[in-house]
Amino acid sequence: DTEVTQTPKHLVMGMTNKKSLKCEQHMGHRAMYWYKQKAKKPPELMFVYSYEKLSINESVPSRFSPECPNSSLLNLHLHALQPEDSALYLCASSQDRGGYNSPLHFGNGTRLTVT
Amino acid sequence: QKEVEQNSGPLSVPEGAIASLNCTYSDRGSQSFFWYRQYSGKSPELIMFIYSNGDKEDGRFTAQLNKASQYVSLLIRDSQPSDSATYLCAVANNDMRFGAGTRLTVKP
Repeated sequence: DTEVTQTPKHLVMGMTNKKSLKCEQHMGHRAMYWYKQKAKKPPELMFVYSYEKLSINESVPSRFSPECPNSSLLNLHLHALQPEDSALYLCASSQDRGGYNSPLHFGNGTRLTVT
Repeated sequence: QKEVEQNSGPLSVPEGAIASLNCTYSDRGSQSFFWYRQYSGKSPELIMFIYSNGDKEDGRFTAQLNKASQYVSLLIRDSQPSDSATYLCAVANNDMRFGAGTRLTVKP
């Protein structure tokens, strides 16, 4: 079991659909992250929120839109995705961003398939 | 040059042997170093972290850090078939960057 909860576990969507991925943590962590992981590749950083403010956007296409409603919640809104966006999307949190309090705690991920 | 480099493997060791996993990094400002284990289809789970030069032991796992050489390693003693997984080295300055991972197979 993980202390970072992601929903849904699996998602199949068409290229014209709009969907959202959700992530929740109750560890009091102040930094939350979205990573994308393709098969047999390492996780790639997409977005970082620190104290509910977007700190970094790794040049991710605008069809991915993050949202941090509060310190415990993180959403990723998806619109007009492409088949190559199919991947495992991982949410993670850490006590602080960077430095010595940065071990990431990952959720179980959402397996996204774009048809 | 990749920020974090690992030998992709696969690395195969017999049960009970020591598995040695290596990682180099390019950013000399990196402060924190982590090893994650990832089973197929699952999310990464933290095994160990190390901040200072030297060795850090936790059960069967030992992490080693040499900042001068920009080198991190993970030793797994008494390897078990359940240790078979991909091991990701991660390095953090402001944000965490992952290596490509080394796939380890422990054969009974």
